Amino acid sequence: QVQLQLSGPGLVKPSQTLSLTCAISGDSVSSNTAAWNWIRQSPSRGLEWLGRTYYRSRWHHEYAESVKSRTIISPDTSKNQFSLQLNSVSPEDTAIYYCARDIDAGCDYWGQGTLVTVSS
Amino acid sequence: QSALTQPASVSGSPGQSITISCTGTSGDVGFYNYVSWYQQHPDKAPKLMLYDVTKRPSGVSNRFSGSKSGNTASLTISGLQAEDEADYYCSSYTISSTVIFGGGTKVTVL
Repeated sequence: QVQLQLSGPGLVKPSQTLSLTCAISGDSVSSNTAAWNWIRQSPSRGLEWLGRTYYRSRWHHEYAESVKSRTIISPDTSKNQFSLQLNSVSPEDTAIYYCARDIDAGCDYWGQGTLVTVSS
Repeated sequence: QSALTQPASVSGSPGQSITISCTGTSGDVGFYNYVSWYQQHPDKAPKLMLYDVTKRPSGVSNRFSGSKSGNTASLTISGLQAEDEADYYCSSYTISSTVIFGGGTKVTVL
């Protein structure tokens, strides 16, 4: 049974960096069949895919155009987890953030979701 | 990139069938058979109901089925039940190696 445990601060100040971590159990971040995603949800933007990382002989990183210039998603093989770093945040980045595993282009396991508020 | 287009709401009586459409472009829904559907109940994470247009994950009722024609994918729920009342989202892989979601459809069981 795959489990994803999300951690990180619930409050970030404008212009600062939002950092979240997703710890994986029951699978490996280095899996050759899975990809590891960050997705957020807000009333104004609905569900929004932010990006993902996956390993296929080498590491791949894919990002949504809307956040590409200020986002880094990185794996940590020593801790079997992956992280999201979103720079220069504004109140528009306030959302529930999810991490999720996808196989065959469907996210079958999701973390519990965490509300991140951007406010001074 | 614009979100996929879904109707805001769909309703039906118990036992009926309903269909939710998801319209994209030739660069996403129309290009790949990588369309997924998610069910979300209030304050819960989305749950994968269909992937690769028509495939059901283990444990998902066969009352849920999917199809695609051109740039439009569809989710059909047959034998509608009270527990099916939720928000439903489609998503698709795109030719830009990104994923986009639909705006969501609220299903109401009358």
